Amino acid sequence: GESVGLHLPTLSVQEGDNSIINCAYSNSASDYFIWYKQESGKGPQFIIDIRSNMDKRQGQRVTVLLNKTVKHLSLQIAATQPGDSAVYFCAENTSGTYKYIFGTGTRLKVLA
Amino acid sequence: SAVISQKPSRDICQRGTSLTIQCQVDSQVTMMFWYRQQPGQSLTLIATANQGSEATYESGFVIDKFPISRPNLTFSTLTVSNMSPEDSSIYLCSVVSLDYEQYFGPGTRLTVT
Repeated sequence: GESVGLHLPTLSVQEGDNSIINCAYSNSASDYFIWYKQESGKGPQFIIDIRSNMDKRQGQRVTVLLNKTVKHLSLQIAATQPGDSAVYFCAENTSGTYKYIFGTGTRLKVLA
Repeated sequence: SAVISQKPSRDICQRGTSLTIQCQVDSQVTMMFWYRQQPGQSLTLIATANQGSEATYESGFVIDKFPISRPNLTFSTLTVSNMSPEDSSIYLCSVVSLDYEQYFGPGTRLTVT
């Protein structure tokens, strides 16, 4: 099927290793952030979110870190699996609006 | 949660023609949106679909090119009018559920020749 992210930055990781995907956001007023995973032929799926009053939030195998000083967001995936291969987007939002601004995306390739 | 279906899933259209994409949600939602994802690019918001009134368009998108309808809380359509090859994209319907989470449909892959 048609692939999303043919020209996006690519991160190649060995299966079982940890992955770190980075995102720089643009609006200092943004106070809510989401990471999405988009597999080929599908729409984006919610992974994890974080509000600006937090620096770190953990989910199952995933951790999001927020550095408001430098407007940087990262997604850490522990023990990366082949099923993690996808394009990952960060999105920023300002409270009181439903408008999300999406980052450029990173393609994660998991090597067997 | 919300399950979103879109029709068609893909289409190949000739320039100058129009295509209407349908979005159906399986539950009531607060808001519905239409996004465009050009090849190798991120998602760009086209407009917010408002029930029973005109959609709210983002900068760079106009109603004449992308007319949108939302006759009820769970259904919306996006028309891509007078298409050109530059309109070749994935068009995604998105909703915000009653518990304020955002969900995306599977997308409609449009190729204009």
